[in-house]
Amino acid sequence: DAGVIQSPRHEVTEMGQEVTLRCKPISGHDYLFWYRQTMMRGLELLIYFNNNVPIDDSGMPEDRFSAKMPNASFSTLKIQPSEPRDSAVYFCASKWGGGRNEKLFFGSGTQLSVL
Amino acid sequence: GQNIDQPTEMTATEGAIVQINCTYQTSGFNGLFWYQQHAGEAPTFLSYNVLDGLEEKGRFSSFLSRSKGYSYLLLKELQMKDSASYLCVFTGGGNKLTFGTGTQLKVEL
Repeated sequence: DAGVIQSPRHEVTEMGQEVTLRCKPISGHDYLFWYRQTMMRGLELLIYFNNNVPIDDSGMPEDRFSAKMPNASFSTLKIQPSEPRDSAVYFCASKWGGGRNEKLFFGSGTQLSVL
Repeated sequence: GQNIDQPTEMTATEGAIVQINCTYQTSGFNGLFWYQQHAGEAPTFLSYNVLDGLEEKGRFSSFLSRSKGYSYLLLKELQMKDSASYLCVFTGGGNKLTFGTGTQLKVEL
């Protein structure tokens, strides 16, 4: 398997623009997570899905953020409108939820810069 | 609430042993992971502890004390490539993983 695939790898946009981040989880994994990483706050969980259904979105900063998982092989995280404080690395991760000890597999991340 | 404390940075010498400590507070606990993250890369899995005690895996070992809310990662025979951030992570209710901010380890000659 190719692992968790994220796109784009880098995104530079201007404040107010819409940003869409994409993720393809590992085939067979039934959990998908979106994390945001900054120097100050580390890795923060934004939202996670189980079998394409959002389970916990309490980490989504505000209404400007939305996430969807239309099928088992694709998820998007959208920011509209974007702000400079949204600049961070956004990671998608997936796992098989068969046991609590199942490890997360991370994608390479999207480095987002909002000017 | 939930909280993880680990040192921000540590420095050690190639060939030496280093111990990275982590304390956590949570109302629900299922297990503790350690992840390694090299600069500019994604975190990768190192270890998992659910029971008290030491888990050894090659040069890396991880210890857990559930009653004390304490864990450590032990790295032996340090190599330059071990320079990275080490993330303490616990699983609480459900499948939610809470990450610490990480300990930046620098290995010097």
